[in-house]
Amino acid sequence: DADVTQTPRNRITKTGKRIMLECSQTKGHDRMYWYRQDPGLGLRLIYYSFDVKDINKGEISDGYSVSRQAQAKFSLSLESAIPNQTALYFCATGSWQGEGDTQYFGPGTRLTVL
Amino acid sequence: ELKVEQNPLFLSMQEGKNYTIYCNYSTTSDRLYWYRQDPGKSLESLFVLLSNGAVKQEGRLMASLDTKARLSTLHITAAVHDLSATYFCAVDASNNSGGSNYKLTFGKGTLLTVNP
Repeated sequence: DADVTQTPRNRITKTGKRIMLECSQTKGHDRMYWYRQDPGLGLRLIYYSFDVKDINKGEISDGYSVSRQAQAKFSLSLESAIPNQTALYFCATGSWQGEGDTQYFGPGTRLTVL
Repeated sequence: ELKVEQNPLFLSMQEGKNYTIYCNYSTTSDRLYWYRQDPGKSLESLFVLLSNGAVKQEGRLMASLDTKARLSTLHITAAVHDLSATYFCAVDASNNSGGSNYKLTFGKGTLLTVNP
């Protein structure tokens, strides 16, 4: 089984709908992250969490919210989806490995907002 | 605000040739990461560079870090088709104590295509 899983993998929704993307990990890492990827823009950080009680905004948090339900679960919500939130969303976990704070990425969720 | 710039953004190479991808960043850091992304796939960690002068090699790829120049390079030797992918560098800016922020800022990626 994959260490970092995301559900759903693909989602098409309409403008104004509430959407939740879920991320689960079995790596036992404390740090979790949500990114979005847009063509030509690389990955941009939306929210990050260093533990269940520590949640922080990233560079593009407007229009998004998160919930860290447990060490292993970190959900991203779009309260009222808009078309420019169409993107590929990645969840990642992080842990110091002795060779740096490598982040491990989930398979991604492709979200389309019509 | 930390800025990370990669160049080139698009690179088309012939098999057997050598080339270098550059990653410049705008603030103090001695923690730089390289990732690979295949089309439609997730990101896979390639290299972790943690000090000035660090050099890591894996197969036909070699990464280096010059923290004084705020520059990392990813050198490709004798390219093969299997290296076709998008390569990202990511920087973890130092905090006020010189330690990690545990946040990565990514470059826009270099789309590498290796042609026969």
